[in-house]
Amino acid sequence: QVQLVESGGGVVQPGRSLRLSCEASGFPFNKYGIYWVRQAPGKGLEWVSLISYDGSNKYYGNSVKGRFSISRDNSKNTVYLQMDNLRPEDTAVYYCAKDRGHFLDYWGQGTLVTVSS
Amino acid sequence: DIQMTQSPSFVSASVGDRVIITCRASQDIDTWLAWYQQRPGKAPKLLISTTSNLESGVPPRFSGSGSGTDFTLSISSLQPEDFATYYCQQAYDFPRTFGQGTKVEIK
Repeated sequence: QVQLVESGGGVVQPGRSLRLSCEASGFPFNKYGIYWVRQAPGKGLEWVSLISYDGSNKYYGNSVKGRFSISRDNSKNTVYLQMDNLRPEDTAVYYCAKDRGHFLDYWGQGTLVTVSS
Repeated sequence: DIQMTQSPSFVSASVGDRVIITCRASQDIDTWLAWYQQRPGKAPKLLISTTSNLESGVPPRFSGSGSGTDFTLSISSLQPEDFATYYCQQAYDFPRTFGQGTKVEIK
């Protein structure tokens, strides 16, 4: 069955960096794009980033453009989200999700990132 | 960016009620719209893609309609497991954007 497992969350000070990982299984990983979506405590969903199946195309939300970078290693079935210059407003649960024709059909359980001094 | 606006933000309803949630896009998105359900403490779940295509395993009491800028999610007879927050999402352009959510609570 399809599984996505996020890791790498934690507490970090403003201005510092963190790298999240999303390890996938149960589907041909190298044929699908992967999204990152976040949800601040008590708030709605915010689309963060998308990487295409081969890593050749990358897209970012306006609030993270220039600070976050998405990448993937198809040999490890893993997508990464490098988050630099973190701000308190980046505090959220970060979900990765599998792309299916522009929609997000399977989601991981999320990893919590807290940006606080 | 395409703005997605849901209404209402909150619905109080009883088991068996019909519930309709609307989603309006700030520009024409054709039928590139999805609906997600999120139960408390859980990840979102894709219910409907491309405006009206029900995902496998989703009960037929859920349905979606619309095109262009105006869309609806209908739940024909609310069940206890349907009490959750629902989000629309446009897949027409980048950045992808979600509506602010509609929370369906038990009356």
